[in-house]
Amino acid sequence: AQKVTQAQTEISVVEKEDVTLDCVYETRDTTYYLFWYKQPPSGELVFLIRRNSFDEQNEISGRYSWNFQKSTSSFNFTITASQVVDSAVYFCALIGSNYKLTFGKGTLLTVNP
Amino acid sequence: DAGVTQSPTHLIKTRGQQVTLRCSPKSGHDTVSWYQQALGQGPQFIFQYYEEEERQRGNFPDRFSGHQFPNYSSELNVNALLLGDSALYLCASSLDLGPPHNEQFFGPGTRLTVL
Repeated sequence: AQKVTQAQTEISVVEKEDVTLDCVYETRDTTYYLFWYKQPPSGELVFLIRRNSFDEQNEISGRYSWNFQKSTSSFNFTITASQVVDSAVYFCALIGSNYKLTFGKGTLLTVNP
Repeated sequence: DAGVTQSPTHLIKTRGQQVTLRCSPKSGHDTVSWYQQALGQGPQFIFQYYEEEERQRGNFPDRFSGHQFPNYSSELNVNALLLGDSALYLCASSLDLGPPHNEQFFGPGTRLTVL
């Protein structure tokens, strides 16, 4: 069975602070993908990143960066110099040998001006 | 190139009624998955359709059924609606490359309210 845990239910920061969203996963599959999605109040899921289980290189995209560590089954997401527009619910997700995406419960990030 | 589209955007029903939600996949995609997202929760997998058949199903009762048409579009039907069925219903399409390589693209969702 697959499981994704986002232990942080809510995080509140002040603009320009750095913030890290944690994601821990469980799977017996050796080949899998990990994802991060952003969900603004409108409800649409916005794709942020997909990472293959064989690629542990960290990735940076602008103010966003991701740290993938298979040894600890973690795939954490950091926003540098947060902005009010970053306020949203963020979901970590996993897909393995079956066809379904397994999502965590999400972390509500509020960035205050 | 149109992405995944869903209709309607919002829907209000009463308990016991039946509802049909619709999804058109992204151009070139042949697989449609449906997810239910209750308030404050992550999306939960309902089922996936491929070649007009249900290929995999999550932990949802038989009141939830679906269909896929030859043009790959899909419908989600929910019978005997309960208050707990109120949720955002998300459709995702993908091109079948075998798991886990099927990259799913999500539509904007249909928000269902059951009164």
